[in-house]
Amino acid sequence: DAGVTQSPTHLIKTRGQQVTLRCSPISGHKSVSWYQQVLGQGPQFIFQYYEKEERGRGNFPDRFSARQFPNYSSELNVNALLLGDSALYLCASRQSGRALYWEQYFGPGTRLTVT
Amino acid sequence: GQQLNQSPQSMFIQEGEDVSMNCTSSSIFNTWLWYKQDPGEGPVLLIALYKAGELTSNGRLTAQFGITRKDSFLNISASIPSDVGIYFCAGQEGGSNYKLTFGKGTLLTVNP
Repeated sequence: DAGVTQSPTHLIKTRGQQVTLRCSPISGHKSVSWYQQVLGQGPQFIFQYYEKEERGRGNFPDRFSARQFPNYSSELNVNALLLGDSALYLCASRQSGRALYWEQYFGPGTRLTVT
Repeated sequence: GQQLNQSPQSMFIQEGEDVSMNCTSSSIFNTWLWYKQDPGEGPVLLIALYKAGELTSNGRLTAQFGITRKDSFLNISASIPSDVGIYFCAGQEGGSNYKLTFGKGTLLTVNP
């Protein structure tokens, strides 16, 4: 079975622009989460979506938004890009939103560079 | 927000040696996960732990969920060159049913 896929793999944007990142979860997984990983740090939680609803949000500004589609794929949008938004953006999928099933599987990430 | 303290920050060992790393938190966690990340790739899940005191193995890897529910450790036995990478602990905090909190990682280098 295919793992979590993300597109694009790399992206270069200018300050003030907007970006959309895409993620397809593992087949059968209904929960998608987004994380930001800056160099030298562990991933930081941005959003979790389950059954197309936002179930949690991390400490990120309103410039960050996301949605989940009926096929459980997801998009992360970032508006008014800042230099500090440069990072690896990771998508993770999980079988369900239930507490007992916490194995999250990550995609390869999208490397965003803001100049 | 909650931070996980992961140590050591880096390790340089000889092939064949055993490795131990740990993670601590200031609050109780219900789940501990260990991931490995290679350069330019996403983290790969190694082991998941769900009960205090649980000891779980995956090949040469062994991880334990601390009795206090505030710590976890990962051991790698008989290290090989492909063990090189960054190892992250991650936890699901009690009362937070939607996110994982990660440590800052342990960079492991194995000298052949």
